[in-house]
Amino acid sequence: AQSVTQLDSQVPVFEEAPVELRCNYSSSVSVYLFWYVQYPNQGLQLLLKYLSGSTLVKGINGFEAEFNKSQTSFHLRKPSVHISDTAEYFCAVSGSGNQFYFGTGTSLTVIP
Amino acid sequence: DGGITQSPKYLFRKEGQNVTLSCEQNLNHDAMYWYRQDPGQGLRLIYYSQIVNDFQKGDIAEGYSVSREKKESFPLTVTSAQKNPTAFYLCASSIRWQEAFFGQGTRLTVV
Repeated sequence: AQSVTQLDSQVPVFEEAPVELRCNYSSSVSVYLFWYVQYPNQGLQLLLKYLSGSTLVKGINGFEAEFNKSQTSFHLRKPSVHISDTAEYFCAVSGSGNQFYFGTGTSLTVIP
Repeated sequence: DGGITQSPKYLFRKEGQNVTLSCEQNLNHDAMYWYRQDPGQGLRLIYYSQIVNDFQKGDIAEGYSVSREKKESFPLTVTSAQKNPTAFYLCASSIRWQEAFFGQGTRLTVV
């Protein structure tokens, strides 16, 4: 079985400050890892994904994440946030069985 | 442009009424999914389908039904047996399990 834990339900951060959104997963098999962003009343948009290769993954809008197999983590980072980054962020994992498992989400609020 | 189209964007249901949410994709993906989203609970899987004419229950299938008669279409029916249907519903599709593509969602409200 696979599962995802997002450790922070809400993260407030000042504009232009760095941010890290934490994600841990559990799985007995090799996995693929994802971060999605959701704006109010919209669907989810892919920020970045780890399938294989380099453990540091760069995505859209200046976000990046690092896959750490030993710590089963896939934390999302951005060095300087903007007001437009205010949104809900979801970490997800997939593997055998063609299913995706999502965390409960982290609400990022950027404060001017 | 390729993508996933959900309709309607907003839907109102009376008590005891069945309603059907539409999901169409032109990405040529084999797998399709329905999720329910409630505040603070993330996305919960209702049903998924890996090929035409086949689908499996997810974690919260009770009170819902689906069909997969065409590769492009995966409609979800919310039946009167679903006691708390008010939620945001998201449809997604994927190639194997390498990335899920989402529609814009349907917000269902019981009136």
